[in-house]
Amino acid sequence: QKEVEQDPGPLSVPEGAIVSLNCTYSNSAFQYFMWYRQYSRKGPELLMYTYSSGNKEDGRFTAQVDKSSKYISLFIRDSQPSDSATYLCAMSAGGSARQLTFGSGTQLTVLP
Amino acid sequence: EPEVTQTPSHQVTQMGQEVILRCVPISNHLYFYWYRQILGQKVEFLVSFYNNEISEKSEIFDDQFSVERPDGSNFTLKIRSTKLEDSAMYFCASSGQGVKGYTFGSGTRLTVV
Repeated sequence: QKEVEQDPGPLSVPEGAIVSLNCTYSNSAFQYFMWYRQYSRKGPELLMYTYSSGNKEDGRFTAQVDKSSKYISLFIRDSQPSDSATYLCAMSAGGSARQLTFGSGTQLTVLP
Repeated sequence: EPEVTQTPSHQVTQMGQEVILRCVPISNHLYFYWYRQILGQKVEFLVSFYNNEISEKSEIFDDQFSVERPDGSNFTLKIRSTKLEDSAMYFCASSGQGVKGYTFGSGTRLTVV
């Protein structure tokens, strides 16, 4: 079983749609959960950071963590063509274990 | 907004040659990292560095790899004898006291021919 699983897509939605991106994980030691956006041949750009379970909202983005189900989500409201990118989930156990374990990324296209 | 700077953006090298990839992390960050991404694959952790020593490394980070912080601002990744399979994007990252604000650079695309 892979440590972090993410549906690679591709996912194509019309402008204004609500987008739901998801990851599951198997390592119960993960405490810190991040979502990154990556444009082609560029570095990952941090979008959202959450610690432990719960929701966090930032503008049109909401990150959700359910540690009991080992499941995290990113919701994008009122999606825009500029949101078209690959979205990566990443996780860390924190403490002395700072390495991030990434999902494979979901490629999102928002059509105007 | 503070950023992680990587140079060069693209490097082509012959198999067996040594390469050094350079990074300038965010100035008040304490932890420094290297990751790589082979085309079409996941971003993979290589190594983390704190207080002038390696704190974690992955199986990928074998004896052919080394890291150094030669001065107060630069952080380098050296590959001693490059192989074709080392061709990838290499990302430097840095973070503060926790993992919050874990910021990546734009990457160096390494092509081994």
